[in-house]
Amino acid sequence: QVQLQESGPGLLKPSETLSLTCAVSGYSISSDYQWGWIRQPPGKGLQWIGSISRTGITSYNPSLQSRVTISIDTSKNQFSLKVTSVTAADTAVYYCATYGPYASGNDWFHPWGLGTLVTVSS
Amino acid sequence: QSVLTQPPSVSGAPGQRVTISCTGSSFNIGAGYHVHWYQQLPGAAPKLLIYAYTNRPSGVPDRFSGSKSGTSASLAITGLQAEDEADYYCQSYDNSLSGSVFGGGTKLTVL
Repeated sequence: QVQLQESGPGLLKPSETLSLTCAVSGYSISSDYQWGWIRQPPGKGLQWIGSISRTGITSYNPSLQSRVTISIDTSKNQFSLKVTSVTAADTAVYYCATYGPYASGNDWFHPWGLGTLVTVSS
Repeated sequence: QSVLTQPPSVSGAPGQRVTISCTGSSFNIGAGYHVHWYQQLPGAAPKLLIYAYTNRPSGVPDRFSGSKSGTSASLAITGLQAEDEADYYCQSYDNSLSGSVFGGGTKLTVL
């Protein structure tokens, strides 16, 4: 059974860089699937941030692309998210999820991690 | 403004049937990309409810069903129960954005 767990700092100041890691257990991320990040501002809906394949091919939300980097570390069975120059608008619960199974436009997110709240405040 | 449009809220009494629509365009649903549905209970992470329009993952009751019509998709919940009170989101792929997109979410209230 695949399980995902997000980790990282919960409080950042404006202009800092958000760094989160998603540890995957129960499955080798080098085997198959893509791996994604989604966020949810307090009281609002879901926003896809981006995804990465097992070979490191990335895809990003155009609205965030200039500030976002997703990377994968198959030796540690985890993948990571960096968002630079954060502002209060980046305050959200950040989720990681398995994205698959086709590596096409017909993929879905399942399962999801529990999520981690990141607050940006001076 | 979400690429996929959902009603902000729906409601129904226990035992009733409710539907939630998800309207897209020729860049996503109309282009043939599949629609998936998620249930988010209060304070919890989203959970896959329906994938590829009509398929239920193991453990999802058959009270939940999905359908497609043109550039829209719908989620139907029959035999409404108090535990169904949650936010529901649709998700698809948009080829103009080259990425995944979500609907704005629909809050289901069980009266």
